[in-house]
Amino acid sequence: DVKVTQSSRYLVKRTGEKVFLECVQDMDHENMFWYRQDPGLGLRLIYFSYDVKMKEKGDIPEGYSVSREKKERFSLILESASTNQTSMYLCASSSERFLAASQETQYFGPGTRLLVL
Amino acid sequence: GQQVMQIPQYQHVQEGEDFTTYCNSSTTLSNIQWYKQRPGGHPVFLIQLVKSGEVKKQKRLTFQFGEAKKNSSLHITATQTTDVGTYFCGAGSYQLTFGKGTKLSVIP
Repeated sequence: DVKVTQSSRYLVKRTGEKVFLECVQDMDHENMFWYRQDPGLGLRLIYFSYDVKMKEKGDIPEGYSVSREKKERFSLILESASTNQTSMYLCASSSERFLAASQETQYFGPGTRLLVL
Repeated sequence: GQQVMQIPQYQHVQEGEDFTTYCNSSTTLSNIQWYKQRPGGHPVFLIQLVKSGEVKKQKRLTFQFGEAKKNSSLHITATQTTDVGTYFCGAGSYQLTFGKGTKLSVIP
Protein backbone atom coordinates (compact mmCIF):
# COMPACT_ATOMS: atom_id res chain seq x y z
CA ASP A 1 0.00 0.00 0.00
CA VAL A 2 1.15 3.52 -0.76
CA LYS A 3 1.86 5.45 2.34
CA VAL A 4 1.99 9.22 2.54
CA THR A 5 2.82 10.56 5.97
CA GLN A 6 2.76 14.08 7.32
CA SER A 7 4.86 15.22 10.25
CA SER A 8 2.04 16.48 12.45
CA ARG A 9 -1.72 15.97 12.66
CA TYR A 10 -2.23 19.19 14.62
CA LEU A 11 -0.06 22.28 14.91
CA VAL A 12 -0.51 25.57 16.72
CA LYS A 13 1.73 28.50 15.77
CA ARG A 14 1.84 32.22 16.39
CA THR A 15 1.55 34.96 13.78
CA GLY A 16 4.94 35.70 12.24
CA GLU A 17 6.47 32.32 13.01
CA LYS A 18 8.17 30.29 10.30
CA VAL A 19 6.34 27.00 9.89
CA PHE A 20 7.55 23.80 8.25
CA LEU A 21 5.12 21.07 7.19
CA GLU A 22 6.79 17.84 6.15
CA CYS A 23 5.47 15.14 3.84
CA VAL A 24 7.09 11.79 3.08
CA GLN A 25 5.96 9.11 0.64
CA ASP A 26 7.35 5.59 0.49
CA MET A 27 6.43 4.55 -3.08
CA ASP A 28 9.18 6.25 -5.07
CA HIS A 29 6.62 8.59 -6.65
CA GLU A 30 7.90 11.31 -8.93
CA ASN A 31 5.11 13.79 -8.26
CA MET A 32 4.15 15.46 -5.01
CA PHE A 33 1.53 18.09 -4.21
CA TRP A 34 0.49 20.41 -1.41
CA TYR A 35 -3.15 21.46 -1.00
CA ARG A 36 -5.07 23.40 1.58
CA GLN A 37 -8.64 22.54 2.42
CA ASP A 38 -11.11 25.06 3.80
CA PRO A 39 -14.87 24.72 4.43
CA GLY A 40 -16.83 25.80 1.39
CA LEU A 41 -13.69 26.18 -0.74
CA GLY A 42 -12.70 22.57 -1.25
CA LEU A 43 -9.14 21.54 -2.09
CA ARG A 44 -6.87 24.19 -3.54
CA LEU A 45 -3.42 23.48 -4.96
CA ILE A 46 -0.58 25.47 -3.41
CA TYR A 47 2.56 24.00 -5.01
CA PHE A 48 3.62 20.82 -6.74
CA SER A 49 6.82 19.12 -7.79
CA TYR A 50 7.62 16.67 -10.59
CA ASP A 51 11.19 15.99 -9.61
CA VAL A 52 13.83 16.61 -6.98
CA LYS A 53 14.71 20.30 -6.65
CA MET A 54 11.89 21.16 -9.01
CA LYS A 55 8.76 23.11 -8.01
CA GLU A 56 5.83 24.75 -9.70
CA LYS A 57 3.21 27.15 -8.40
CA GLY A 58 -0.33 25.99 -8.04
CA ASP A 59 -3.43 28.14 -7.75
CA ILE A 60 -2.65 29.83 -4.42
CA PRO A 61 1.14 30.00 -3.83
CA GLU A 62 1.25 33.41 -2.14
CA GLY A 63 2.70 33.24 1.35
CA TYR A 64 4.13 29.76 0.84
CA SER A 65 7.30 28.17 -0.46
CA VAL A 66 8.36 24.55 -0.89
CA SER A 67 11.47 22.42 -0.83
CA ARG A 68 12.18 19.07 -2.44
CA GLU A 69 15.74 18.00 -1.68
CA LYS A 70 14.98 14.28 -1.79
CA LYS A 71 12.53 12.36 -3.95
CA GLU A 72 10.49 11.06 -1.04
CA ARG A 73 10.18 14.32 0.88
CA PHE A 74 8.26 17.49 0.03
CA SER A 75 8.18 20.33 2.54
CA LEU A 76 5.76 23.25 2.68
CA ILE A 77 7.10 26.41 4.31
CA LEU A 78 5.12 29.32 5.67
CA GLU A 79 7.76 32.05 5.85
CA SER A 80 5.76 34.23 8.23
CA ALA A 81 2.54 32.58 9.34
CA SER A 82 -0.64 34.63 9.30
CA THR A 83 -4.08 33.92 10.72
CA ASN A 84 -5.55 33.48 7.23
CA GLN A 85 -3.26 30.47 6.81
CA THR A 86 -5.19 28.58 9.47
CA SER A 87 -6.36 25.56 7.52
CA MET A 88 -6.09 21.83 6.88
CA TYR A 89 -3.00 21.07 4.76
CA LEU A 90 -2.95 17.93 2.68
CA CYS A 91 0.01 16.40 0.89
CA ALA A 92 -0.42 14.02 -2.03
CA SER A 93 1.78 11.99 -4.36
CA SER A 94 1.39 10.18 -7.66
CA SER A 95 3.63 8.10 -9.87
CA GLU A 96 2.27 9.17 -13.25
CA ARG A 97 2.62 12.73 -14.47
CA PHE A 98 -0.05 12.42 -17.16
CA LEU A 99 -3.07 11.44 -15.11
CA ALA A 100 -5.55 11.06 -17.95
CA ALA A 101 -3.57 8.30 -19.65
CA SER A 102 -3.71 5.85 -16.83
CA GLN A 103 -5.66 4.83 -13.81
CA GLU A 104 -3.03 6.40 -11.61
CA THR A 105 -4.29 8.62 -8.92
CA GLN A 106 -3.14 10.92 -6.22
CA TYR A 107 -2.58 9.36 -2.80
CA PHE A 108 -3.25 11.72 0.06
CA GLY A 109 -1.63 11.94 3.46
CA PRO A 110 -3.70 12.25 6.67
CA GLY A 111 -3.44 16.03 6.73
CA THR A 112 -2.08 18.62 9.16
CA ARG A 113 -4.57 20.92 10.83
CA LEU A 114 -2.73 24.21 11.41
CA LEU A 115 -4.00 26.92 13.72
CA VAL A 116 -2.25 30.28 13.57
CA LEU A 117 -2.97 32.53 16.55
CA GLY B 1 -6.28 24.69 -15.08
CA GLN B 2 -9.64 23.12 -15.78
CA GLN B 3 -12.43 24.60 -13.66
CA VAL B 4 -15.18 22.42 -12.26
CA MET B 5 -18.35 23.39 -10.45
CA GLN B 6 -19.86 20.80 -8.13
CA ILE B 7 -23.43 20.68 -6.84
CA PRO B 8 -25.09 20.38 -4.45
CA GLN B 9 -22.86 21.54 -1.60
CA TYR B 10 -24.82 19.51 0.95
CA GLN B 11 -27.25 16.62 0.72
CA HIS B 12 -29.20 14.97 3.52
CA VAL B 13 -30.92 11.70 2.70
CA GLN B 14 -32.78 8.97 4.55
CA GLU B 15 -30.94 5.69 4.62
CA GLY B 16 -32.05 3.71 1.59
CA GLU B 17 -32.66 6.77 -0.61
CA ASP B 18 -30.53 7.48 -3.65
CA PHE B 19 -27.94 10.27 -3.89
CA THR B 20 -26.37 12.08 -6.83
CA THR B 21 -23.65 14.71 -7.07
CA TYR B 22 -22.79 16.55 -10.26
CA CYS B 23 -19.67 18.20 -11.64
CA ASN B 24 -19.86 20.64 -14.53
CA SER B 25 -17.35 22.55 -16.59
CA SER B 26 -17.62 25.18 -19.32
CA THR B 27 -14.68 23.57 -21.12
CA THR B 28 -14.01 20.05 -22.35
CA LEU B 29 -12.31 17.98 -19.68
CA SER B 30 -9.47 15.56 -20.37
CA ASN B 31 -10.51 13.37 -17.46
CA ILE B 32 -12.46 13.38 -14.24
CA GLN B 33 -11.51 11.69 -11.00
CA TRP B 34 -13.78 11.08 -8.02
CA TYR B 35 -12.66 10.98 -4.39
CA LYS B 36 -14.39 10.29 -1.09
CA GLN B 37 -13.37 11.90 2.19
CA ARG B 38 -14.81 10.43 5.37
CA PRO B 39 -15.33 12.79 8.33
CA GLY B 40 -11.93 13.42 9.91
CA GLY B 41 -10.19 11.56 7.08
CA HIS B 42 -8.35 12.36 3.90
CA PRO B 43 -9.54 12.07 0.28
CA VAL B 44 -9.42 8.55 -1.12
CA PHE B 45 -9.52 7.83 -4.83
CA LEU B 46 -12.66 6.14 -6.14
CA ILE B 47 -12.39 6.15 -9.94
CA GLN B 48 -11.23 7.96 -13.07
CA LEU B 49 -13.22 8.51 -16.28
CA VAL B 50 -11.52 9.56 -19.51
CA LYS B 51 -13.80 8.56 -22.41
CA SER B 52 -16.81 10.42 -23.74
CA GLY B 53 -20.04 8.84 -22.45
CA GLU B 54 -18.16 6.49 -20.15
CA VAL B 55 -20.11 4.74 -17.39
CA LYS B 56 -18.45 2.77 -14.61
CA LYS B 57 -19.96 0.97 -11.65
CA GLN B 58 -18.60 0.03 -8.26
CA LYS B 59 -21.26 -1.92 -6.35
CA ARG B 60 -23.89 0.73 -5.50
CA LEU B 61 -21.91 3.60 -7.05
CA THR B 62 -22.38 4.60 -10.70
CA PHE B 63 -20.07 7.13 -12.34
CA GLN B 64 -20.84 8.84 -15.64
CA PHE B 65 -18.87 11.11 -17.95
CA GLY B 66 -20.96 13.19 -20.33
CA GLU B 67 -20.87 12.80 -24.09
CA ALA B 68 -19.34 16.27 -24.46
CA LYS B 69 -16.89 15.58 -21.58
CA LYS B 70 -18.11 18.70 -19.80
CA ASN B 71 -19.99 17.06 -16.97
CA SER B 72 -19.89 14.04 -14.72
CA SER B 73 -22.03 12.50 -12.03
CA LEU B 74 -21.71 10.10 -9.13
CA HIS B 75 -24.88 8.26 -8.17
CA ILE B 76 -25.26 6.10 -5.07
CA THR B 77 -28.18 3.69 -4.99
CA ALA B 78 -29.82 2.92 -1.66
CA THR B 79 -27.48 4.89 0.58
CA GLN B 80 -26.08 3.39 3.75
CA THR B 81 -24.62 5.11 6.81
CA THR B 82 -21.17 4.05 5.61
CA ASP B 83 -21.61 6.36 2.59
CA VAL B 84 -21.39 9.44 4.81
CA GLY B 85 -18.63 11.84 3.79
CA THR B 86 -17.69 14.45 1.24
CA TYR B 87 -17.41 13.49 -2.41
CA PHE B 88 -15.06 15.48 -4.63
CA CYS B 89 -14.52 15.53 -8.34
CA GLY B 90 -11.19 16.61 -9.81
CA ALA B 91 -10.10 17.26 -13.38
CA GLY B 92 -6.78 17.88 -15.10
CA SER B 93 -4.15 16.12 -17.14
CA TYR B 94 -1.16 16.94 -14.94
CA GLN B 95 -2.52 18.46 -11.78
CA LEU B 96 -6.07 18.24 -10.53
CA THR B 97 -8.47 21.10 -9.99
CA PHE B 98 -11.13 19.98 -7.57
CA GLY B 99 -14.77 20.85 -7.21
CA LYS B 100 -15.81 22.16 -3.79
CA GLY B 101 -17.33 18.83 -2.86
CA THR B 102 -20.74 17.53 -1.84
CA LYS B 103 -21.16 16.65 1.81
CA LEU B 104 -23.49 13.68 2.22
CA SER B 105 -25.36 13.01 5.45
CA VAL B 106 -27.35 9.81 5.82
CA ILE B 107 -30.13 9.70 8.40
CA PRO B 108 -30.58 6.17 9.78
